[in-house]
Amino acid sequence: QKEVEQNSGPLSVPEGAIASLNCTYSDRVSQSFFWYRQYSGKSPELIMSIYSNGDKEDGRFTAQLNKASQYVSLLIRDSQPSDSATYLCAVIMYNNNDMRFGAGTRLTVKP
Amino acid sequence: DGGITQSPKYLFRKEGQNVTLSCEQNLNHDAMYWYRQDPGQGLRLIYYSQIVNDFQKGDIAEGYSVSREKKESFPLTVTSAQKNPTAFYLCASRSGISTDTQYFGPGTRLTVL
Repeated sequence: QKEVEQNSGPLSVPEGAIASLNCTYSDRVSQSFFWYRQYSGKSPELIMSIYSNGDKEDGRFTAQLNKASQYVSLLIRDSQPSDSATYLCAVIMYNNNDMRFGAGTRLTVKP
Repeated sequence: DGGITQSPKYLFRKEGQNVTLSCEQNLNHDAMYWYRQDPGQGLRLIYYSQIVNDFQKGDIAEGYSVSREKKESFPLTVTSAQKNPTAFYLCASRSGISTDTQYFGPGTRLTVL
């Protein structure tokens, strides 16, 4: 089992819809989780961090964490074409403090 | 202006040459990382360093070398032993705090001619 797994995608949604991106992780005691956005040809940029079970909202973005299910998700409301990018899930492994990344999910928002 | 800088932005190498990619940070972070990204693929860890004068191999270290003589700098050398070096190279840094995330530089795109 990979340490961090994401939907392989690509994911395509119409403009204005909700995009849902999912991520599972293997280390059941991990405490820190992050979502990055990477535009084509650019470096990843941090968009959300979450540490506690439940939802965390920041503008149109909502991160959801369920530690019992080892699952973290990112919802993008009112999706815009400018949200088209690859989204990377990252988890800090509790035992060695290493950060591990998922392979990313490519999102396309169609006008 | 705090951040991570990488240079050059684009680099062309002839087969058989060694090239060095620069990475500098002024965030006072202890840990620094090098990743390789191929088109349409995820990040693969090459080397990382958690403290000055110490570094560890990542998942794909063969054909690469690093040094960490200063806290601010973590250069990556792509040697001639790396058979397929054309890729996008990303440097990142992170503080030693367990809840803190990594921050990335703008990347260097290396092409072998």
